[in-house]
Amino acid sequence: EVQLVESGGGLVQPGGSLRLSCAASGFTFSSFAMSWVRQAPGKGLEWVSTISDSGDKTYYADSVKGRFTISRDNSKNTLYFQMNSLRAEDTAVYYCAKAPPIVVSTFECWGQGTLVTVSS
Amino acid sequence: EIVLTQSPATLSLSPGERATLSCRASQTVSFYLAWYQQKPGQPPRLLIYDASNRATGIPARFSGSGSGTDFTLTISSLEPEDFAVYYCQHRRNWPLTFGGGTKVEIK
Repeated sequence: EVQLVESGGGLVQPGGSLRLSCAASGFTFSSFAMSWVRQAPGKGLEWVSTISDSGDKTYYADSVKGRFTISRDNSKNTLYFQMNSLRAEDTAVYYCAKAPPIVVSTFECWGQGTLVTVSS
Repeated sequence: EIVLTQSPATLSLSPGERATLSCRASQTVSFYLAWYQQKPGQPPRLLIYDASNRATGIPARFSGSGSGTDFTLTISSLEPEDFAVYYCQHRRNWPLTFGGGTKVEIK
């Protein structure tokens, strides 16, 4: 069974940093693209970043480009999201999501999410 | 950036009724459109990918159609567990975007 477990969320001041992790199990992690999708409280879904299976290609939404970095460690079956220069508008539940075979940019399986709150 | 507009914002129906949800793209996305269901306090669940393909384990009462700029998600006969928010998402190019969602509520 595919499992994705996010961690690392919490309360951080504006301008601060956080590193999210997503521990994957139940599938061959190194064979699938992975993404981060966020959802602000009471709002809709927003794609933020995707990384290819090998990690050589990364994609970002304009809203986070230059501030956030997606990465992965295939030896540890873990996806990461380094979030710097955080703003109030980054407050959201952050989900990691697994792509289906071959297709990079659809979200087949999702974790339960981790809440990031940016506030002073 | 491709903008996806979902309508209606809210759909009030009774169990057993047919639900028809619309997603319109600001430019063609070919058939590269997915639909997700989200219930309160839960992550989204993939229902349909590439316009008309049901994801693994999704009941046959869910179907998707369309191509280009106009897409439809149909739930043939609503079950109590189908009352939720539904989102469309394209993968035509970067950045990926989602529609604003349609809430299907019990009438």
